[in-house]
Formats: sequence, C-alpha cells, structure tokens
Amino acid sequence: DQQVKQNSPSLSVQEGRISILNCDYTNSMFDYFLWYKKYPAEGPTFLISISSIKDKNEDGRFTVFLNKSAKHLSLHIVPSQPGDSAVYFCAASLGQGAQKLVFGQGTRLTINP
Amino acid sequence: NAGVMQNPRHLVRRRGQEARLRCSPMKGHSHVYWYRQLPEEGLKFMVYLQKENIIDESGMPKERFSAEFPKEGPSILRIQQVVRGDSAAYFCASSPAWGRGKGEQYFGPGTRLTVT
Repeated sequence: DQQVKQNSPSLSVQEGRISILNCDYTNSMFDYFLWYKKYPAEGPTFLISISSIKDKNEDGRFTVFLNKSAKHLSLHIVPSQPGDSAVYFCAASLGQGAQKLVFGQGTRLTINP
Repeated sequence: NAGVMQNPRHLVRRRGQEARLRCSPMKGHSHVYWYRQLPEEGLKFMVYLQKENIIDESGMPKERFSAEFPKEGPSILRIQQVVRGDSAAYFCASSPAWGRGKGEQYFGPGTRLTVT
C-alpha cells in the first residue's frame, strides 16, 4: 500500500528555470510533509517541510505547496541550479516532531546547463 | 556539530553470517530511526527507538532483525543469518524530542550491505 506517491521517476529542467516536483498521498491523517534531497552514496538531506494546517512554506529558492483537498503537494525550485541535480523524496509524517516517515519513490531531477 | 554517524559505510557478508550496523545520533537528539532502501526504491521505515526503548518496530521483519539503543553507546541494527535479499542501503536518522523542529529527521550517510 503506497501511501505516498511520486509518479514522475525523472525530470529534466534547464538551468535558471523553475523545477516543479509533485507528490500525492492517500492518508488524510498525515500532519507533516517533508522534502528530502539525496545525492548518490549519501544520506537524504532535509530541505523543507510543511504542516498540514498550512498551504505554503517558503525557504529561499524552495517553496512547498500543499493542497489538502487534492491530497497533493509540490516542491518548486526557482531558479534551478546545476547543484540541484539529485533525487528528491517526498515524505509524510503521522506525528509532529518524531514519528516514522513514509517516503515516496523519488524523482531524479537533472538540471541542464 | 557532528551529524548522524553510521559505520561501517560498506559491509560485505556471506549468506548465514551476522551483520551489525551502528548509528550515533546528532548531539542532543534522543530519537533514532532506521530505514532500508532497496535499489530504485524509496526508503522504508523499519524501527523507531528512544534510549533503552523500542517505540515502533512495525517495519521490522519478524525474524532475524533486531534493534537496540542502549543508555550508553550507539544504536545497533542487527541482522542474523543474512540472505541475499537483505542487500540494501540502511539509513539511520535522528530527531530532537517531541515538540521541537519541523517534523524533520536528519539522516546519516548509510551502510551499504552486500550479501554474497
């Protein structure tokens, strides 16, 4: 039962443009949503999160949007930079601060010069 | 401020041997989580521990796998009698106590287990 889904395995974007990564979930009890970035042979790095009571959170070039009615969230990266090339994982939490995370399958983002 | 540390980074075991993976959480973090990533898949939760307590082991296989987080020392994920299907990357994460942070967990670099 895949509760968090990232339906695009890969995405290619031109440097300087906007990257939009999407994520869908099925469990309406999730209360935090997070995005992680992962380089090969490294652990995931936390990027940004959003509480289920909000619809937008912004941190520098990264903005996460949450649409609870559609059970959908997206990560916007603008402008995209070559160093953004990585695998991005969407994750959801059932408990604030400390609980297991449910991860999507990941989207490989490639930024082309 | 050291991050989450895991060792070894790479571990090769023959079928039937035991694998021990270690994790030291970030300073000040009292919660530890273990995840497993199979090739081309997302991370799957295995177990959530606090000092001397297993809080949630709903993702742990029923047999051969165990985890602990003793009062002193690192958290240990132990896999007995390894099989080829145990080959994966095992990640440890830590977080501060309840009520702090933004729900995030901080991950170590992982241990890549290969069973031959």
